[in-house]
Amino acid sequence: EAGVVQSPRYKIIEKKQPVAFWCNPISGHNTLYWYRQNLGQGPELLIRYENEEAVDDSQLPKDRFSAERLKGVDSTLKIQPAELGDSAVYLCASSLTWRRAKNIQYFGAGTRLSVL
Amino acid sequence: SQQGEEDPQALSIQEGENATMNCSYKTSINNLQWYRQNSGRGLVHLILIRSNEREKHSGRLRVTLDTSKKSSSLLITASRAADTASYFCATDRLGNEKLTFGTGTRLTIIP
Repeated sequence: EAGVVQSPRYKIIEKKQPVAFWCNPISGHNTLYWYRQNLGQGPELLIRYENEEAVDDSQLPKDRFSAERLKGVDSTLKIQPAELGDSAVYLCASSLTWRRAKNIQYFGAGTRLSVL
Repeated sequence: SQQGEEDPQALSIQEGENATMNCSYKTSINNLQWYRQNSGRGLVHLILIRSNEREKHSGRLRVTLDTSKKSSSLLITASRAADTASYFCATDRLGNEKLTFGTGTRLTIIP
């Protein structure tokens, strides 16, 4: 079974440029998460989807960040415009419905973003 | 803000020794999980312990949970070089699927 797939693995951009990350969750997982992980820290949730509905986006900086999950499968996370402080690793995770899966999450390898 | 704080921040031990790392949290929890993250990779789930459990084992892993002290420990026995990674605890609350991760312990196993 394929795991969570993210692309690209690395991205280097100049500040004020737009950037997008893509995630393909494990087949059958209806819950999808985007996290940001700063160097030396644990992941922090940005947004959580149940199928195509964003059910928790309270930590998403909505002035510059946006996300979508069309058809409840793949998801994209976009930053426009990027700022220096956005440099981090962006992780995608997926899980089965919480009550079935005890909230065990499966993570992709992440996209390391460097904003210059 | 980080719910969990791992201790120590970094730990280096000889291969074959046991490694113990601790996690403290601030609010009531439903479940506590431990994840491992190898350098440049995503997190991998290791073990989950419910709030009504006190100890759980999985292979070389032993997790304890003390809800009165709001703390958990992860013991890795007979460590191997492949155990070199960062270890994170993560908690969720009853009725809320959001996982809150700690700051992690960086474990280095010296061959």
